[in-house]
Amino acid sequence: ETGVTQSPTHLIKTRGQQVTLRCSSQSGHNTVSWYQQALGQGPQFIFQYYREEENGRGNFPPRFSGLQFPNYSSELNVNALELDDSALYLCASAGGPTTYEQYFGPGTRLTVT
Amino acid sequence: TQLLEQSPQFLSIQEGENLTVYCNSSSVFSSLQWYRQEPGEGPVLLVTVVTGGEVKKLKRLTFQFGDARKDSSLHITAAQPGDTGLYLCAGEYNFNKFYFGSGTKLNVKP
Repeated sequence: ETGVTQSPTHLIKTRGQQVTLRCSSQSGHNTVSWYQQALGQGPQFIFQYYREEENGRGNFPPRFSGLQFPNYSSELNVNALELDDSALYLCASAGGPTTYEQYFGPGTRLTVT
Repeated sequence: TQLLEQSPQFLSIQEGENLTVYCNSSSVFSSLQWYRQEPGEGPVLLVTVVTGGEVKKLKRLTFQFGDARKDSSLHITAAQPGDTGLYLCAGEYNFNKFYFGSGTKLNVKP
């Protein structure tokens, strides 16, 4: 059974650019959640996808968007990058939207200059 | 605004000591999780508590969920250097939404 994987590991972008981050969920999991973790803080919930539909969103602006594919892998897209978007972006997969337990990937470290 | 407040923020102790970390909120959660995160890695789930008053033990770690499901504690007995890390609590606030505390950074010195 493979765990949650994310790519790329690290990324450097310039303010105003767009970025796409990728996540492969754990085998058998159909729910993916995305989190932003700023340095020294706990993860902040961005949104969740269940069976290719957005299924809950935190307090993030619309320039944060996502997709989930039929194989349950997912993308996080961020447009018009700002310096404050620099953070570790984590995805977590779960067996379903009402499953309490979620398993995290190693994250993508995004730096915006 | 943090829905979950964790205390203390930092804790540095000697190997063999006991410690307790707290996670408090004014909100009710349907479930609460504890995670441990090491630098450069994602959080690793330690335990999920669901019922008010529930106590779960995982070797030297004891987790308790408050009766009103607003707070939780993590107690570590005889801490070891391998326990070093960032301990995070996360509450399921609304359906499908998990909120994390800012964490307690634990350092156990040999």
